[in-house]
Amino acid sequence: QLQLQESGPGLVKPSETLSLSCTVSGGSISSGSYFWGWIRQPPGKGLEWIGSIYLSGSTYYNPSLKSRVTISVDTSKDQFSLKLSSVTAADTAVYYCVRHPGALDIWGQGTMVTVSS
Amino acid sequence: EIVLTQSPGTLSLSPGERATLSCRASQSVSSNYLAWYQQKPGQAPRFLIYGASTRATGIPDRFSGSGSGTDFTLTISRLEPEDFALYYCQQYGTSPRLTFGGGTKVEIK
Repeated sequence: QLQLQESGPGLVKPSETLSLSCTVSGGSISSGSYFWGWIRQPPGKGLEWIGSIYLSGSTYYNPSLKSRVTISVDTSKDQFSLKLSSVTAADTAVYYCVRHPGALDIWGQGTMVTVSS
Repeated sequence: EIVLTQSPGTLSLSPGERATLSCRASQSVSSNYLAWYQQKPGQAPRFLIYGASTRATGIPDRFSGSGSGTDFTLTISRLEPEDFALYYCQQYGTSPRLTFGGGTKVEIK
């Protein structure tokens, strides 16, 4: 059964870059026609799509975050990654990695990232 | 961008009752590509429904989705104790660009 697991620092300083990775296990990131994406959820708030990547390398970003987001994929490691630059306290959230053929059918457990000095 | 509005914000019901959750889109959702998720505190969302009405694998048949165009509904026929949670709708008609509704909390009355 395919599983996703986020990893990365839980604390990031303001103005720095948030970097997270998502490791795919129980299957290959290269099998099937899927998008691989990132969703975030600030404490006590709703879900926000950050962006997604296709295996071809094509990327799609939320317009509100586009200038600060980079998503990449490393098929040799069955991983994809998120970088969010120039973070502020508003970027404090639980970050989820997801697989989406359309709907988000597989989710990672999520990782809490706090932006604070 | 398609904006999804969920109502009500909170639904207070008793176990065994029927829950009806609404999700309204600011414009028609292509091919009724509308999904529903359940989220409990401290957990990742759980995939419930896709294509507006198709249950995901392993989802009990007390959960049903309906609707088309701009108006969609999630119905829980008889609430079980484990169904009290937050529910989100999400459109993927513009996939991979996605949007979510603001959520409906189903709480115990």
